[in-house]
Amino acid sequence: ETGVTQSPTHLIKTRGQQVTLRCSSQSGHNTVSWYQQALGQGPQFIFQYYREEENGRGNFPPRFSGLQFPNYSSELNVNALELDDSALYLCASTSAGPENIQYFGAGTRLSVL
Amino acid sequence: AQSVTQPDIHITVSEGASLELRCNYSYGATPYLFWYVQSPGQGLQLLLKYFSGDTLVQGIKGFEAEFKRSQSSFNLRKPSVHWSDAAEYFCAVAPSGGYNKLIFGAGTRLAVHP
Repeated sequence: ETGVTQSPTHLIKTRGQQVTLRCSSQSGHNTVSWYQQALGQGPQFIFQYYREEENGRGNFPPRFSGLQFPNYSSELNVNALELDDSALYLCASTSAGPENIQYFGAGTRLSVL
Repeated sequence: AQSVTQPDIHITVSEGASLELRCNYSYGATPYLFWYVQSPGQGLQLLLKYFSGDTLVQGIKGFEAEFKRSQSSFNLRKPSVHWSDAAEYFCAVAPSGGYNKLIFGAGTRLAVHP
């Protein structure tokens, strides 16, 4: 049990639609990172938020955006969905402190038809 | 560019046998190194990490890993595998100080025969 919960568990959308994925972190975890894991691949870093500001982005287009809220929850928004966006989306939160371990949620499985 | 290579896509071992999963990284300096495990329908669980110091690190569930700078490797080992160890294993690297921005390998799927 990592204390990181993601919703929904599964989601089906059609090409061109928009989607919002949600993540709830542990209290005190002020950094959240989002990853995309395509089938058969390792997770790819999308972006990171620290104290409600984007603080690093991977090689993903602007239609991938995020929000982080003061209550340790966060969102990943994807506009104009493409078939290749079908993947498992993982949220990871990091505690403040020397260890800085990332705790991962179980993910949201997005299917784009 | 930083990258992580896990040469073995699938590995099958018998229960009780020893295990070694390979990981090689490409990075200019010494990065932070991690091994994660992912069971079906689960998120990633951290097995162990290396930041500095002793190059042999111990993790949870009886796993250990050895950092070898000369070989740019961080191989994961377990002396005796249990059936519950069947899962996917990911090696990851983060630039020093940027350990929230993990770069993962493609993973190694471990099957355990009784």
